[in-house]
Amino acid sequence: NAGVTQTPKFRILKIGQSMTLQCAQDMNHNYMYWYRQDPGMGLKLIYYSVGAGITDKGEVPNGYNVSRSTTEDFPLRLELAAPSQTSVYFCASSSNSIRNTIYFGEGSWLTVV
Amino acid sequence: AQKITQTQPGMFVQEKEAVTLDCTYDTSDQSYGLFWYKQPSSGEMIFLIYQGSYDEQNATEGRYSLNFQKARKSANLVISASQLGDSAMYFCAMSPNTGGFKTIFGAGTRLFVKA
Repeated sequence: NAGVTQTPKFRILKIGQSMTLQCAQDMNHNYMYWYRQDPGMGLKLIYYSVGAGITDKGEVPNGYNVSRSTTEDFPLRLELAAPSQTSVYFCASSSNSIRNTIYFGEGSWLTVV
Repeated sequence: AQKITQTQPGMFVQEKEAVTLDCTYDTSDQSYGLFWYKQPSSGEMIFLIYQGSYDEQNATEGRYSLNFQKARKSANLVISASQLGDSAMYFCAMSPNTGGFKTIFGAGTRLFVKA
């Protein structure tokens, strides 16, 4: 019953620090995503991947990097953290079927101070 | 360009009553899917219901139903017999059948269920 698992759940970073948010899915989904959700707002796509070795930018990629070495894992790297990156981050995945329902992890609350 | 609009920032409903959350969309795609997600105060995003653009019947999942009016480009979520646990943020989303990475989300509607 794991689905999409992301860690850590909470993190406080200092300005200029870097960190990696881990994400893994066990549903054998080809597509994986990273979204951010700012307080009181909807979801914005940061990066996505359509399969191992293939990644592409979403709507708000600046300040982030991703990699996809396996089908299961899709880590998000924050370089030189800035206060504007304070947000809730969601990893998600979906199959490439017609009904491409996106399934989300539980979210990671990141504060940059 | 694709667009999702949820015009109700907040809604109140009395426990045990039904409530409709509005969602309109704009797309030039012929084939697409419509989704609703629930985000309780704990923060996770929970998938509720899916409607395909070519589905002739409105989707239902337990107390959730999707009132799909293709000509009006609306996909309203109906929650019957509201419960206190339904208090949450609700997001409407649309995805063309060409790829989930093109999914767009509305701004959300916060639902408050009163005892």
